[in-house]
Amino acid sequence: KAGVTQTPRYLIKTRGQQVTLSCSPISGHRSVSWYQQTPGQGLQFLFEYFSETQRNKGNFPGRFSGRQFSNSRSEMNVSTLELGDSALYLCASRTGQEYGYTFGSGTRLTVV
Amino acid sequence: KNQVEQSPQSLIILEGKNCTLQCNYTVSPFSNLRWYKQDTGRGPVSLTIMTFSENTKSNGRYTATLDADTKQSSLHITASQLSDSASYICVVGEGGYNKLIFGAGTRLAVHP
Repeated sequence: KAGVTQTPRYLIKTRGQQVTLSCSPISGHRSVSWYQQTPGQGLQFLFEYFSETQRNKGNFPGRFSGRQFSNSRSEMNVSTLELGDSALYLCASRTGQEYGYTFGSGTRLTVV
Repeated sequence: KNQVEQSPQSLIILEGKNCTLQCNYTVSPFSNLRWYKQDTGRGPVSLTIMTFSENTKSNGRYTATLDADTKQSSLHITASQLSDSASYICVVGEGGYNKLIFGAGTRLAVHP
């Protein structure tokens, strides 16, 4: 059974640019959530999608957005990149509201 | 404010020794508590998940305890191995949708 797949694994962008990260959940999982991990702030929740609808959102500016497709794959977009957006971005999937999240390996974004 | 605090921040032990990591939380409403292991640059991997009614859960050499009255949890690692070197993150699920609140993690280094 394939795990949660995130692409790309590494990304380097310039300040002011935008970036799109992709997450393919485990087959059958309808919920995908996104997290930002930095050395200073640790893991922070960005948002969660379930059946193409955002049902939870963390405290991040509007530059961070996401969406989920009918096949449950999800994308996260960050516009007008800032140096502070450099982080490991993780996504996790689960079937629905149960407890078991499975995380992907993350996308390492570096903003220069 | 919903928070999860972990101690110690970092820990060094010798291979074969036992250790205990602590987690205190103020999350309401409480849904569940989980411990994750995260290797550097990788996504977190679930070790244990406990609901309000469970006070202990084991996964091999890892044993987690939960005291819902005092809002404390611990993760005990028995007979440590070099491969246990990682960050251990305590995560509390909040509310019906199980939004995750993360602790900052304990960085464990096991030395030969």
